[in-house]
Amino acid sequence: AQKITQTQPGMFVQEKEAVTLDCTYDTSDQSYGLFWYKQPSSGEMIFLIYQGSYDEQNATEGRYSLNFQKARKSANLVISASQLGDSAMYFCAMREAGNFNKFYFGSGTKLNVKP
Amino acid sequence: EAQVTQNPRYLITVTGKKLTVTCSQNMNHEYMSWYRQDPGLGLRQIYYSMNVEVTDKGDVPEGYKVSRKEKRNFPLILESPSPNQTSLYFCASSAEEYNEQFFGPGTRLTVL
Repeated sequence: AQKITQTQPGMFVQEKEAVTLDCTYDTSDQSYGLFWYKQPSSGEMIFLIYQGSYDEQNATEGRYSLNFQKARKSANLVISASQLGDSAMYFCAMREAGNFNKFYFGSGTKLNVKP
Repeated sequence: EAQVTQNPRYLITVTGKKLTVTCSQNMNHEYMSWYRQDPGLGLRQIYYSMNVEVTDKGDVPEGYKVSRKEKRNFPLILESPSPNQTSLYFCASSAEEYNEQFFGPGTRLTVL
C-alpha cells in the first residue's frame, strides 16, 4: 500500500485566495512525523512545515498551515492568500519513528496560481 | 553557509560507463540520504546512512551503491548505468535534533 497519497496531480488557485492540498498517509506506528516540501520550477526542495503525530496543535508557519486529522490519517497543507510565487510542485512526506532516516514521499501536486 | 552540495549538476553518459555523483554537507549531520525523482512518482529513497560506515537500502536500491567513509560525504555510485536510471537525483542530510531534511540542488542524469 502507498504510504503517502496525494490525489491532486494539479490544481489552480486565484491569487490571494486560500488553497488546500490534500495528503493522506498510511502507518501503524503511533509516533511519526509529517512534512511538506515545495519544489519550484528551478528544482530545489524547500522545507515548508512539520507536524509530529503527538502534536496537539496544527502546525503553522507564516501563510502555511497543516490541517492534521489523525483519525482520518490526513495532513493537508493550507496556503492562505496565495501568491504567484507559490506556483510549484508540493510534496507531502512522512517519517516513522522506527527509522528516523526513512522517508516516504507522495507523488506531488502541481499548484498554479493565476493572477 | 550551511549547505548540501552535489556534483555534477548535470551529466549525460552512456550505458555501462561507471559514474559517481558526489554529495557533501558542512553541517556535521549524522543522517544522509539519496533520492531519485521521476515524474508522477515523487521522490523515492535509494539509500540512506545513519553515520560513518552505516548505510541501509531504501525503496529503490537496485543498480546503485553508496559509501560513507567520512561524515560529510556520501557519494552515489552507478557501476553500470542503464537508461532506466535516467532521473533527477537529490542528496539530503539531517540531524536528530532537527525535523527537516536539507536537500542538495539535484543532479540531472541522462543515460543513453
